Amino acid sequence: DGGITQSPKYLFRKEGQNVTLSCEQNLNHDAMYWYRQDPGQGLRLIYYSQIVNDFQKGDIAEGYSVSREKKESFPLTVTSAQKNPTAFYLCASSMNRGVFNYGYTFGSGTRLTVV
Amino acid sequence: DAKTTQPTSMDCAEGRAANLPCNHSTISGNEYVYWYRQIHSQGPQYIIHGLKNNETNEMASLIITEDRKSSTLILPHATLRDTAVYYCIALSGYSTLTFGKGTMLLVSP
Repeated sequence: DGGITQSPKYLFRKEGQNVTLSCEQNLNHDAMYWYRQDPGQGLRLIYYSQIVNDFQKGDIAEGYSVSREKKESFPLTVTSAQKNPTAFYLCASSMNRGVFNYGYTFGSGTRLTVV
Repeated sequence: DAKTTQPTSMDCAEGRAANLPCNHSTISGNEYVYWYRQIHSQGPQYIIHGLKNNETNEMASLIITEDRKSSTLILPHATLRDTAVYYCIALSGYSTLTFGKGTMLLVSP
């Protein structure tokens, strides 16, 4: 079945360490996205990529980095510069066609805890 | 993208219809209304979207007022598994999805 896989589901890291969250999709979607969610809040956009080897900052990109070397993969690195990295991270993808935004497909998320 | 306003929470009895309202009074002509839901600790799930006509799929119905300033998502026969946060979003073209706090729908037996 096609879908988005995020791994791991839970991740613990010590403060000051960089950590990379994996996101892989086999939906042949062009665009991929990373969101962050804090307790009781909506999702906030970190980075997105419309095409391979290209990506744009979202609303809260500081302290994060991404790469898009393959259409299927969009890993997110949480760097030590991110002040409050503990959060629920969600990856999504969508097919971009013309001027219509098709529905996004989301992964099941990675819950990162920094101690 | 237009701002949307939703109630913070709603209750519904199992088996009854759940009607979730959304105001988007500043919506522009090329913006669609999208609905997603998020069950606790999972990724959001697409439900339905529409421009100006009412829409129905296997999950829900979307009713958009003629002036497009508000809409209602209808779950015809709510079940306990429909308990989730429901997000109403207005966006157009290549805009990226942005999520507010949504409506927490609690379906009880």
